[in-house]
Amino acid sequence: QSALTQPPSASGSPGQSVTISCTGTSSDVGGYNYVSWYQQYPGKAPRVMIYEVSKRPSGVPDRFSGSKSGNTASLTVSGLQAEDEADYFCSSYAGSNKFVFGTGTKVTVL
Amino acid sequence: EVQLVESGGGLVQPGGSLRLSCAGSGFTFSSYWMTWVRQAPGKGLEWVANIKQDGSEKYYVDSVRGRFTISRDNAKNSLYLQMNSLRAEDTAVYYCARRWDAMDVWGQGTTVTVSS
Repeated sequence: QSALTQPPSASGSPGQSVTISCTGTSSDVGGYNYVSWYQQYPGKAPRVMIYEVSKRPSGVPDRFSGSKSGNTASLTVSGLQAEDEADYFCSSYAGSNKFVFGTGTKVTVL
Repeated sequence: EVQLVESGGGLVQPGGSLRLSCAGSGFTFSSYWMTWVRQAPGKGLEWVANIKQDGSEKYYVDSVRGRFTISRDNAKNSLYLQMNSLRAEDTAVYYCARRWDAMDVWGQGTTVTVSS
């Protein structure tokens, strides 16, 4: 079970958009629509922002959106705000009752 | 308030054992799959194990299978992780979370340090 690949960092100015990729294989991201995205502040527990590729839990701003193409999922944060500065992790079902997280991306608001 | 609270972490020597607990409140605990996730210092998240509502199905990441056991007591709204034969690489913050498909409620985490 190898971790899904994410860029180590991403950044944008307030009001801009930033997109984070999450690359896996046909055995995980590409094979199932169970991709989730989590936001984590330093020293805090993660918070789910997107589940089942593109669904947003109640309470999550609609600035956050998810999509998937082939073996790569993406999280887009539109209208960046200072409070969006955090680490973001993707996760995917990997078949055979296994789950895998991404390597994580640190988002910086310039 | 929907809440998960972990306990049981601490310092343990290599080869030792530890039992983590996770108490749920504010929701019908017995209706949900539950999951353990860990995060080594400065590292990313790693799925460790999960368990079905009635405890009849349990799944583990390869690196802990045979050493860790996930269990639950729905009468006590509690989730457990029995960790045996601990190794230095098991050092991490351990979180419990509700569900597996969208981990929508997380505990605050409990720290496990494996060191001599």
